[in-house]
Formats: sequence, structure tokens, C-alpha cells
Amino acid sequence: DSGVTQTPKHLITATGQRVTLRCSPRSGDLSVYWYQQSLDQGLQFLIQYYNGEERAKGNILERFSAQQFPDLHSELNLSSLELGDSALYFCASSVGLTGSAGTQYFGPGTRLLVL
Amino acid sequence: GEDVEQSLFLSVREGDSSVINCTYTDSSSTYLYWYKQEPGAGLQLLTYIFSNMDMKQDQRLTVLLNKKDKHLSLRIADTQTGDSAIYFCAERKGGDDKIIFGKGTRLHILP
Repeated sequence: DSGVTQTPKHLITATGQRVTLRCSPRSGDLSVYWYQQSLDQGLQFLIQYYNGEERAKGNILERFSAQQFPDLHSELNLSSLELGDSALYFCASSVGLTGSAGTQYFGPGTRLLVL
Repeated sequence: GEDVEQSLFLSVREGDSSVINCTYTDSSSTYLYWYKQEPGAGLQLLTYIFSNMDMKQDQRLTVLLNKKDKHLSLRIADTQTGDSAIYFCAERKGGDDKIIFGKGTRLHILP
């Protein structure tokens, strides 16, 4: 158990809908990362938050947004869903201190299926 | 090209050693990692190596780093059926929190 929790585990929805994925980082970790894993694209970095502020952006679509709250949990919002958004969405957390190993600890993921 | 490259598949007989290879492109990478992903699960950190090291050993796992060739390998001794998984190589670039992952190597264990 990595200490990172994600809810829900599975999500089935229809095209055009909006969903929210939730992540709680390990105790003490300030950085949260979101990744999308699909069969053809591998593991794609979406976005990183550090202590409530956006720190880095990857291949995140404009239809997607995220935020990190004062209690450090994070939510990833996916809107106007398309079939191609079906994937595993992972959250990871790290201490986030410069000079540390920067090891990221992954949650179990949310499997999203868009029908 | 891709920042981190690794072969997609590897088949090894149970009891043999597995060697998974990876190449990266950024010479300023500070840390390099190996993660394991079992079916239906998240990524689990196996080990990491700091860029000023050549080798790191942890029980059955040996990591070798050739910084000149930007080549990283993971050796699993006495491979067991439980080692069947996808192994991801990843690099952390200097001055950055972001980690770049390879596409993963699927390790298949033959009886």
C-alpha cells in the first residue's frame, strides 16, 4: 500500500458527460501528479500541483482541469468526455522538496470507461 | 524522439535472470527509477539510483547505470512467476520535479 488513495476505482459514463476523480496524497507529501495511462499512449503526465499551486503541465487537454485543496487532496475534472478518454487515471504524490529523490508514490488508479 | 526508451516485451524462464534495458536522452538527469506495475494495479517503486552512482543492489535487484551511454538496466536474479509485470524505467531531469516514464517492458515468465 503506497499510502495514496484514489476514488472511485471504476467509473462508467457516457460521451459528453463530466466526471471528477479524487486523490489523497501520502501523509506529508505536498506534490500531487496526475497521469493518464492508455494502451496506445503509455503513461502520460497530465499535471502537477505543489502545496495548492499548479507547478507543471504536461499533455493535459483543455477539457480537463485539476486543483489541489488546502488539505492537499486533489481532484481531476474531465468534461465533454469522448470515447478516447477511456483510460486508467493515476494520481501520484511526492514530498516535493528540491534536492530530495523526488520519488513518486502511485495510487491504485481510477479506471474510466466512456460509452 | 522519446526521452526514455525501453523494449516492449521480454520473456524469461523461471529461475533465470531477467535484464531489462532502458536508454534516456537527458544527460542532466539526476535520478533514475524502476517501477513495477502488476495487472490492474498502480505503479510500485522498485528502486532508484542517483546519477553519480554506477550500481545499486537490493536483494534480487541490481541496477546498473552507464551515464556515458545514458543506459540503465534492471537485473532480476532468480526470476519468479510473481515477477511477471510491466516494468517502467523513468528519469527525473535536473532541477525539475517531473518524472518522464518509458512505455514499459512487459516481462513474461516461462515455466
